[in-house]
Amino acid sequence: DGGITQSPKYLFRKEGQNVTLSCEQNLNHDAMYWYRQDPGQGLRLIYYSQIVNDFQKGDIAEGYSVSREKKESFPLTVTSAQKNPTAFYLCASSIDLTGFWEETQYFGPGTRLLVL
Amino acid sequence: AQKITQTQPGMFVQEKEAVTLDCTYDTSDQSYGLFWYKQPSSGEMIFLIYQGSYDEQNATEGRYSLNFQKARKSANLVISASQLGDSAMYFCAMREDPYNQGGKLIFGQGTELSVKP
Repeated sequence: DGGITQSPKYLFRKEGQNVTLSCEQNLNHDAMYWYRQDPGQGLRLIYYSQIVNDFQKGDIAEGYSVSREKKESFPLTVTSAQKNPTAFYLCASSIDLTGFWEETQYFGPGTRLLVL
Repeated sequence: AQKITQTQPGMFVQEKEAVTLDCTYDTSDQSYGLFWYKQPSSGEMIFLIYQGSYDEQNATEGRYSLNFQKARKSANLVISASQLGDSAMYFCAMREDPYNQGGKLIFGQGTELSVKP
């Protein structure tokens, strides 16, 4: 079955700690995305990548970092510089959407990050 | 400025009745796409329906239809014959200028729909 997996489901971070959220897809999609969702809010884009070894900042990239060494994988690191990291994090993928209006993004099940 | 506005934080509907979830958007682009997603309590976002700005007909997908009024910049989701499993958060989203922004989606704040038996 093709899809997107995210791990872990729940993640706890201590003060000053960096943590990494995993996102893997086997849909052969070129583009991958990370979104943050706060309670009662919509999704906000953190980073996106349209091709291996390249990625772009989204609207709220400060305090986060990503890498795209493989097509299937797009891990997100929440650094100690992110002062309010408690949120629900969703990873998504799609075919390369450059020029394509109607193609949707497919989402993973999400990771809930809590600060201790 | 809010690009996507969903003014109904919560809605109730009786099972088997129809319900309309409101969405208005703000863009100066002539070409754009509008999406609706469902988010159950499990958290995963599920794509429901798409409407292109140049589509002359309203989009339909099974029990979901999109009431698209371009001049009013509204893209309301209509769910017919509501089922208990329709209870979830619903998000309206817009894609502008995919040539320069990698397919970025802008989301509204969502509407929580509760279906009563």
